[in-house]
Amino acid sequence: AQSVSQHNHHVILSEAASLELGCNYSYGGTVNLFWYVQYPGQHLQLLLKYFSGDPLVKGIKGFEAEFIKSKFSFNLRKPSVQWSDTAEYFCAVNFGGGADGLTFGKGTHLIIQP
Amino acid sequence: NAGVTQTPKFQVLKTGQSMTLQCAQDMNHEYMSWYRQDPGMGLRLIHYSVGAGITDQGEVPNGYNVSRSTTEDFPLRLLSAAPSQTSVYFCASSYSPSSTDTQYFGPGTRLTVL
Repeated sequence: AQSVSQHNHHVILSEAASLELGCNYSYGGTVNLFWYVQYPGQHLQLLLKYFSGDPLVKGIKGFEAEFIKSKFSFNLRKPSVQWSDTAEYFCAVNFGGGADGLTFGKGTHLIIQP
Repeated sequence: NAGVTQTPKFQVLKTGQSMTLQCAQDMNHEYMSWYRQDPGMGLRLIHYSVGAGITDQGEVPNGYNVSRSTTEDFPLRLLSAAPSQTSVYFCASSYSPSSTDTQYFGPGTRLTVL
C-alpha cells in the first residue's frame, strides 16, 4: 500500500537555524506532492505543492521543497527559521492523480526557540 | 468568503449515540472531503465527494455516513459512536476533483466519545 513517511516527529531549532524536514513516499507512479502547516490553534494551510515542472518549488513564508523522483522524496527546507515557524508540518501525497484525496504523513512538530 | 466552516467545534458523546458533524463551504467548490486526525497518525481520509449527489469511501469509512445534497454542504454522520472515534475531524474542499488542486481545510471538530 502507498504510504508517506516523515522521519522527524519532533524537531527543536534555534532562531536563524536552517531547516530541512524529510518526506518520503512509497509509490512508483504519478504523484502530486504537498506540504501543509498547522500553526497552534489554527487549521491546516498549504505551504507549497508540486505536480510537474521544476522540481524545486517555492512556497509561502520562505519555504521551499525539492522533489527527487529517484529518491521518492519531497523534503521541505527553509534557510533561516523564525520563532513564528513553530507549528506542525505535514507532508501529503496524492497517489496516481485520482480524486481519492491525500495520504498524509504523521507530521513533524517543529519548535523554534527564540 | 467564510471559506470552510465546521460545527460544532467541540462535542462529547456517549458510546452508542449518533450525531452529525456539519461542514459548509461558500467557495462553490466541487470537491469536499472529511479527514480524521489522531495523535501520531497524521490525517486519514474518511469519505469524499466529487460533486453534489456523488460520494465515495476513503481509507477509514467504517462507522461514518455522508451525503452531498448541495454543493455547499457535506455533513458527516456518526451512526453509533464508539470510543475509537474520538478524534479531531477536518473537512476540506477544493475547486475541482483534480488531484493538483489545493485543498482548503476547516477549523476542525474535536470529538470525544466516552
